[in-house]
Amino acid sequence: DVVMTQSPLSLPVTLGQPASISCRSSQSLVYRDGNTYLNWFQQRPGQSPRRLISKVSTRDSGVPDRFTGSGSGTDFTLKISRVEAEDVGVYYCMQGANWPLTFGQGTKVEI
Amino acid sequence: EVQLVESGGGLVQPGGSLRLSCAASGFTVRSTYMTWFRQAPGKGLEWVSTIYSDRDDGTIHDAESVRGRFTISRDNSKNTLYLQLNSLRAEDTAVYYCASGGLWFGEEDFWGQGTLVTVSS
Repeated sequence: DVVMTQSPLSLPVTLGQPASISCRSSQSLVYRDGNTYLNWFQQRPGQSPRRLISKVSTRDSGVPDRFTGSGSGTDFTLKISRVEAEDVGVYYCMQGANWPLTFGQGTKVEI
Repeated sequence: EVQLVESGGGLVQPGGSLRLSCAASGFTVRSTYMTWFRQAPGKGLEWVSTIYSDRDDGTIHDAESVRGRFTISRDNSKNTLYLQLNSLRAEDTAVYYCASGGLWFGEEDFWGQGTLVTVSS
């Protein structure tokens, strides 16, 4: 199975300041079609998860542009350019290049 | 409007069974990928099982932790996804979410609100 490792696991942030979460995979997430299937999910307190970004850097509809995904191969990053109060929650990376689908441990973002 | 509504969770003894349902509206479950995820209390997300669309022959993938005990299926006439949970263990205690779409490769995804399964004597 592909192991996804996130850091940090807890991220205290300041409103208006940037934040960054790292995600590393135990093997390349480049699929045979040439795409890299790395996704980022947000789970706000008491809510269902919501995907923010797919294929490393493609923002989902309605996702603010302060969220940016980057990376390649096995090393990926989610950046929030200026943290807002509504960004509080847990962020997960998830790989979709291989079965079983696997998630990182989650990074708790708190003000 | 797309909506997914899970039901069927509850308290069950170890070794028991439950069937979870995920009623869909706004699209047809046969036409897309459908997936069950779970989240143990205070823990992270875990993929459980995926069923492909009819167009993709309804292929099923299961997590090793549930293989042989859980079965994903759908009833196209009721536009509902199911997860049959057998031989339940304490470690199966979790909120179970259903989700639509090939969310692992970038298709638009929708999630239900989740249903809690508690396995305890």
